[in-house]
Amino acid sequence: GAVVSQHPSWVICKSGTSVKIECRSLDFQATTMFWYRQFPKQSLMLMATSNEGSKATYEQGVEKDKFLINHASLTLSTLTVTSAHPEDSSFYICSAQETSGRTSYEQFFGPGTRLTVL
Amino acid sequence: KQEVTQIPAALSVPEGENLVLNCSFTDSAIYNLQWFRQDPGKGLTSLLLIQSSQREQTSGRLNASLDKSSGRSTLYIAASQPGDSATYLCAAGGFKTIFGAGTRLFVKA
Repeated sequence: GAVVSQHPSWVICKSGTSVKIECRSLDFQATTMFWYRQFPKQSLMLMATSNEGSKATYEQGVEKDKFLINHASLTLSTLTVTSAHPEDSSFYICSAQETSGRTSYEQFFGPGTRLTVL
Repeated sequence: KQEVTQIPAALSVPEGENLVLNCSFTDSAIYNLQWFRQDPGKGLTSLLLIQSSQREQTSGRLNASLDKSSGRSTLYIAASQPGDSATYLCAAGGFKTIFGAGTRLFVKA
């Protein structure tokens, strides 16, 4: 199956700093990538939809100036948490949708990045 | 707006039991329905993907069904084992994929 990687797998940072998380599709091209956030013992909540070469679409309640998303190529999307605060501590998961001739719209998920803000 | 509900929220069964996890969704205009497993502190493991045109998928001891008209999917686990203990998430795939809150399963040895 298609493989999606995330880097880093975990990060600890001080309050007020910015953190960048990378999401890569390793063996396929992805026009669309998605970013999710998961708080402890809760489900995944969609944060934004990232389309290659265009601005991301953010879900209601997600601050676009705080969570900067860049999808500069068909295999890479980045999420930057700017001026991180302890309440941003969470598990961030990305997914990628293959852009081949398939019509399944299946998403392939990365392993997640655990962010802890002190 | 798609909403996905999973019942029960938690389940504890003795080893060897067959069990059913339920998932319902409000918008039947989906591309697919996917079941995942998530172990504590870990990412998602895809278990089964059912396309909107399909009725069910099977993998080993797992069987997932989909009834789009009623907005329901079930995950059947046969002969449960302690290693099946995890949280099971269903996700309705459309333009956006929306997740349910999950069912936390504990299989007692």
